[in-house]
Amino acid sequence: DTEVTQTPKHLVMGMTNKKSLKCEQHMGHRAMYWYKQKAKKPPELMFVYSYEKLSINESVPSRFSPECPNSSLLNLHLHALQPEDSALYLCASSLGLAGPPAGELFFGEGSRLTVL
Amino acid sequence: SQQGEEDPQALSIQEGENATMNCSYKTSINNLQWYRQNSGRGLVHLILIRSNEREKHSGRLRVTLDTSKKSSSLLITASRAADTASYFCAGRGSNYKLTFGKGTLLTVNP
Repeated sequence: DTEVTQTPKHLVMGMTNKKSLKCEQHMGHRAMYWYKQKAKKPPELMFVYSYEKLSINESVPSRFSPECPNSSLLNLHLHALQPEDSALYLCASSLGLAGPPAGELFFGEGSRLTVL
Repeated sequence: SQQGEEDPQALSIQEGENATMNCSYKTSINNLQWYRQNSGRGLVHLILIRSNEREKHSGRLRVTLDTSKKSSSLLITASRAADTASYFCAGRGSNYKLTFGKGTLLTVNP
């Protein structure tokens, strides 16, 4: 199984809603990532988890709250988002954080978020 | 902040031709990776080149790395319509972050 599965594929939410994005992998990878991608732009790193601990937070607003319940799962909890947060949210995993092949990322297909 | 700057931003070629994309980066890297993204989809890893390597091949892909110029190039030979996608370079720095460049949109016309 070489897949990273993200749910839901599409999400529409109001600014007062609370929702979550989910990501799952069963490749035994110990690093997991959240990236945000706006249209025609490159992915921007949000968070990195290594061995279920938050390693990197790229100064993301607190309305985005990541969670790594176990080594296979990664969640992104969303609360009080703004319309400018509308984007494709990509989850990725890698064997580790450094060194090939550990550093190669496997991406999910993304969750397309629209904030009204 | 972006690690890489791809050149050109958009490239249109005919099937069978070669496509060359360039990437320049700003800070030191442990490795440089290239990814492909079809419209609205996730990214797919293509090839990784370490900072102590100068050239690497994988199928129809050839990647070069020049650390003195902080630049890399991706060559796709004998392109196919299915190669139409956005291509991103990404540098893995010593802080373990993988930071993506702006990308090149490649269109291969049948």
